[in-house]
Order: sequence, then structure tokens, then C-alpha cells
Amino acid sequence: DQQVKQNSPSLSVQEGRISILNCDYTNSMFDYFLWYKKYPAEGPTFLISISSIKDKNEDGRFTVFLNKSAKHLSLHIVPSQPGDSAVYFCAASAEGGGADGLTFGKGTHLIIQP
Amino acid sequence: KAGVTQTPRYLIKTRGQQVTLSCSPISGHRSVSWYQQTPGQGLQFLFEYFSETQRNKGNFPGRFSGRQFSNSRSEMNVSTLELGDSALYLCASSLGGRVADTQYFGPGTRLTVL
Repeated sequence: DQQVKQNSPSLSVQEGRISILNCDYTNSMFDYFLWYKKYPAEGPTFLISISSIKDKNEDGRFTVFLNKSAKHLSLHIVPSQPGDSAVYFCAASAEGGGADGLTFGKGTHLIIQP
Repeated sequence: KAGVTQTPRYLIKTRGQQVTLSCSPISGHRSVSWYQQTPGQGLQFLFEYFSETQRNKGNFPGRFSGRQFSNSRSEMNVSTLELGDSALYLCASSLGGRVADTQYFGPGTRLTVL
């Protein structure tokens, strides 16, 4: 049973436009969410996180939105740059009582086209 | 600060053998988590160590074990290797106070079981 789902395996966006990556979760115990970026042959790199007490968190070109009622979060990248081409993982944790570490989605491969 | 380091980077073993992977966390980080990444299952949590004690464990068989030393370095052991154990094994370190602390990943060890 996949508790964190990224339904788009890949996404192609033109340079300079907005990239929107989506993530859905099923476990209502999740209360902390993170996005990681991964290049080939490297480990995931932390991008941005959001606590369930917020609905938006911004860091430069990256903004994460959380809709708790829909159990949905999204990562917006504006403007998209060629270096953003990578696999993006959504992750969740249940800080209050979970003992399962981070639960990851299967990733979305973002391709930024010139 | 140096990042998370993992050794070896690549490893080839045969079925039935055992393997030990090593992870050195970022200086000052007391928590080390291990993940397995495969194309089919994505990133899956194996276990987490904090102050030399296993604090959290994922849903993996007992063939997967680990330990943490007093300097926070961690090792992961897989006994009686199976073909399905072929994967990228990632180690992540964090300050360790909470599950939601930002985890910083190493580059991973690519294990191939023949």
C-alpha cells in the first residue's frame, strides 16, 4: 500500500515557465512533508519542507503548498531553470507517533527544455 | 563541513554471501538512517540509529541489520544475499532530535547481487 504517491513519473517544462510537481498521501498521521531532488549517481538533496500547521512555505524559487483536507501537496518552481532537471521525491513523516522514518513517493522526473 | 560519506560506492556480491556497508554522518549529527532504493519500490526506510541504539525500523527481514558506533558512524549488514537485494543503499544523517529533522543523504552504495 503506497502511502505517498507521485502519479506523474515524468514532467517536461519549458525553461522560464512554472514547474508544478504533485504529491498525494493517504496516511492522516503524516504531519511533516519534505521535497528532495536527486541527480543521477548522487544521494537526494533536501529542497524544502512544510509542517502540517502551515499551508505554504517559500524558499527562493521553490514554494510548497499543502492542502490537508485533500491530502495533497505540490511543489512549484518559478522560473524553471535547466539545472532543475532531476528526479523530485516527495516524503512524509508522522513526527508525533510514527516509527517508520521518512516515507517517500516514487519520484517525478522533471525535464526542463530550453 | 564534510557531507555524508558512504563506502564502498559500488559492490558486487553473489547470492548467499553477506555484505557490510559503512556510513559516516555529518559531524555533529547523531542520527543515521538507512534506505533502500530500487526501480520498482522507490526509496524504502530500513532503520534509524540514534546514540548507538536502533530507534526506528522499517518493514525488512531480519537479514538486514545495522549498528552505530560511539562516533555516530554506522554500518549496515545484509546476510544471505538474494538477487532482490540488488539496489542503491542510501544513508542519511540528521541532528537527531526528531524524525522531522532535515536528513542529509550520502551518495549511496550500489550493491549488485549475482
